[in-house]
Amino acid sequence: AQSVTQPDIHITVSEGASLELRCNYSYGATPYLFWYVQSPGQGLQLLLKYFSGDTLVQGIKGFEAEFKRSQSSFNLRKPSVHWSDAAEYFCAVGLSGNTGKLIFGQGTTLQVKP
Amino acid sequence: DVKVTQSSRYLVKRTGEKVFLECVQDMDHENMFWYRQDPGLGLRLIYFSYDVKMKEKGDIPEGYSVSREKKERFSLILESASTNQTSMYLCASSPPGQGRDEQYFGPGTRLTVT
Repeated sequence: AQSVTQPDIHITVSEGASLELRCNYSYGATPYLFWYVQSPGQGLQLLLKYFSGDTLVQGIKGFEAEFKRSQSSFNLRKPSVHWSDAAEYFCAVGLSGNTGKLIFGQGTTLQVKP
Repeated sequence: DVKVTQSSRYLVKRTGEKVFLECVQDMDHENMFWYRQDPGLGLRLIYFSYDVKMKEKGDIPEGYSVSREKKERFSLILESASTNQTSMYLCASSPPGQGRDEQYFGPGTRLTVT
């Protein structure tokens, strides 16, 4: 069955430090992969997505993610974290077919220390 | 600017009441979704709809029903609210892509059932 795992429930980093959020997926076909961010009390906003081509994708707010098929991973990175990046981050995989369904990971909460 | 709106940001209802959560999108999307979000569980799909009057159960449909009479509007109905339905409810929409299209989210409705 398809699934998405985010191993880290909660991460704390200092402002200015680098960030990597992990995401592992289980899916038989070529995956369509997404990262979303949710600020407190808000809906989800798309950061970036991958469905083919270059395995390193750039997103908004200075985020990037790398697709590694051999490791079934799609980790999110940012070289220097800002206090405004404190939020919850969700990784998702899109299912083939035209329903538009996504399977979400459990989420990772990012706290940024001043 | 694309927009998904939800009728209420916060809602307090009593046990046994019938509750309606409304979602409207202005992007002419075929697909619409209802999720509930609980800490540590990520987003869980309740129902989705891929066309007017069409609906399919998601992962946790028990205790919920939906209605889609018009393309832009997707309603979630709690027939008899219970305290374990206290949660954040998120609505989303997407075009009929082959799994590669992002979902656009509303701001969420935080429902408390007392």
